[in-house]
Amino acid sequence: DAKTTQPPSMDCAEGRAANLPCNHSTISGNEYVYWYRQIHSQGPQYIIHGLKNNETNEMASLIITEDRKSSTLILPHATLRDTAVYYCIVRVDSSASKIIFGSGTRLSIRP
Amino acid sequence: EAGVVQSPRYKIIEKKQPVAFWCNPISGHNTLYWYLQNLGQGPELLIRYENEEAVDDSQLPKDRFSAERLKGVDSTLKIQPAELGDSAVYLCASSLDGAATEAFFGQGTRLTVV
Repeated sequence: DAKTTQPPSMDCAEGRAANLPCNHSTISGNEYVYWYRQIHSQGPQYIIHGLKNNETNEMASLIITEDRKSSTLILPHATLRDTAVYYCIVRVDSSASKIIFGSGTRLSIRP
Repeated sequence: EAGVVQSPRYKIIEKKQPVAFWCNPISGHNTLYWYLQNLGQGPELLIRYENEEAVDDSQLPKDRFSAERLKGVDSTLKIQPAELGDSAVYLCASSLDGAATEAFFGQGTRLTVV
């Protein structure tokens, strides 16, 4: 599985959009980009995933560049409850694929 | 519907003692994972089960760690004997199958070895 690179920490004002970048320059054509987040003292939680098209769900939007070497997770209106560590993961959708976490980005939302 | 249930939530033991963690995955989920998470780091995969078969245990330190998943449902992770460096959070997760989009995680067991 390809590796990802994320900034160790970011902060964002409450109510503003939080944009979390991820670099995955060695991603393969059949690898998806996944995002999970981990709130303090809880297990990771799935947010969203995509292959090459932009995706949106009730939690967030995922923007993947045309060359697929980087992506951005967007939380459109950040709240204090969005304070967490956000993990960008690349994996193929196969039964042999592992979910491998890096160090993630610690996002702090300030009031 | 209940999520992934892990117990105990916290455990403190002396070094060289044995310890066991229990995980009850979401009903119907065939794939079960055990992860270890050290402070300030992302979770690291220890072992992955497809039903009762361990299909990936390459990261499990087999000299002291063992795991089982009887009948392809609940799972137990054991450490014997525990070392100071084993202090960490042990996370269990499950998914419908190995290719499933989403894995669901339990709250974890925080182990402290003194």
